[in-house]
Amino acid sequence: AQKVTQAQTEISVVEKEDVTLDCVYETRDTTYYLFWYKQPPSGELVFLIRRNSFDEQNEISGRYSWNFQKSTSSFNFTITASQVVDSAVYFCALSEPSNFGNEKLTFGTGTRLTIIP
Amino acid sequence: DTEVTQTPKHLVMGMTNKKSLKCEQHMGHRAMYWYKQKAKKPPELMFVYSYEKLSINESVPSRFSPECPNSSLLNLHLHALQPEDSALYLCASSTVGGVTDTQYFGPGTRLTVL
Repeated sequence: AQKVTQAQTEISVVEKEDVTLDCVYETRDTTYYLFWYKQPPSGELVFLIRRNSFDEQNEISGRYSWNFQKSTSSFNFTITASQVVDSAVYFCALSEPSNFGNEKLTFGTGTRLTIIP
Repeated sequence: DTEVTQTPKHLVMGMTNKKSLKCEQHMGHRAMYWYKQKAKKPPELMFVYSYEKLSINESVPSRFSPECPNSSLLNLHLHALQPEDSALYLCASSTVGGVTDTQYFGPGTRLTVL
């Protein structure tokens, strides 16, 4: 069975600090996809990034960057120069095929990030 | 336009009521999903429709009844719910429902059962 672990339940940092959210996953599949979603207080899950298991290049998008390391089964997310608007719950997720061939997402338990002004 | 809309935003219902949640997407996606999310927990998959056919039912109680009238619309009919069914109900859609897909989520309906 697939599993995603987000060991950090809650993190608080002062605005403009950098913060890294950890994600460790377990899977027996050789082909898989990893995702990060942001859930602000409004409730909507906002897609941030998708990474497939064959692409270990790190990715940067503005203040956001992702570090994918297959050797340690980790897909960590760093926010540089954090802002109050980054306050949200962040979920890491792993896709797996169901018995019917459809995708199922296995979510981690989430990390609640609070940026203190 | 990666938009999934859900109505209503909030719903309060009694245990004897019948109500429906509605989800709509206009991205041409052929897979749609219902999730239930309790406070401080990750979303839990309830149902998946692929090409308007129910392909996954995660052993959800029959008081929840999904319906997919067409590829853009997904409903969740609610009947005789229990207070423990109070949660945020999220709808999502993706291209075809395959493992390479990205699921795009709506804003959710916050349901309170009295």
